Amino acid sequence: GQQVMQIPQYQHVQEGEDFTTYCNSSTTLSNIQWYKQRPGGHPVFLIQLVKSGEVKKQKRLTFQFGEAKKNSSLHITATQTTDVGTYFCAGPRDSSGSARQLTFGSGTQLTVLP
Amino acid sequence: NAGVTQTPKFRVLKTGQSMTLLCAQDMNHEYMYWYRQDPGMGLRLIHYSVGEGTTAKGEVPDGYNVSRLKKQNFLLGLESAAPSQTSVYFCASSGLAGAGELFFGEGSRLTVL
Repeated sequence: GQQVMQIPQYQHVQEGEDFTTYCNSSTTLSNIQWYKQRPGGHPVFLIQLVKSGEVKKQKRLTFQFGEAKKNSSLHITATQTTDVGTYFCAGPRDSSGSARQLTFGSGTQLTVLP
Repeated sequence: NAGVTQTPKFRVLKTGQSMTLLCAQDMNHEYMYWYRQDPGMGLRLIHYSVGEGTTAKGEVPDGYNVSRLKKQNFLLGLESAAPSQTSVYFCASSGLAGAGELFFGEGSRLTVL
């Protein structure tokens, strides 16, 4: 079945440094979503990418969807302590992208050192 | 402004006991899901529902049952709890069939001794 791999599993950065997490799927994705989970909290939706090669920005966060729609990345510029948490990518489990079954990556746990 | 509410938030069970987790959403969403989260393994889909009266299996359905008798509620049952079911359980809902975000509840931490 479809697998969504995410690297790295852990990342420690000094406040102000940049951070990137990568997501790779074994199959082509119709779309990809990103979520953030604060320590002790629940996942919160950040963004959805649909188009091949799409790039979206949210303030210091930049999201990319690969040309082949099999990989994606999240880049945070100049990290802040408020960025601490685990970042998950998620893609539809079936090729049609319908039925809303999402397969989540294992997540990247970001620690920001002040 | 409740969104998705899960009860209970914490529960300790002995092996072999049964219990039910309740998820309620007030957003009139059609789709509801139960995930479990274990360290280093992300979120894995247990069961889901695409509407009132329907349920379907996800990635890891064994040992769990679900029911969606009312649109706003999605129940997850453990008939005979096992230590391997110790986990954090998240309920989520979404309103769109082919796109759109998942709204998660705050989670239910279950420990099976």
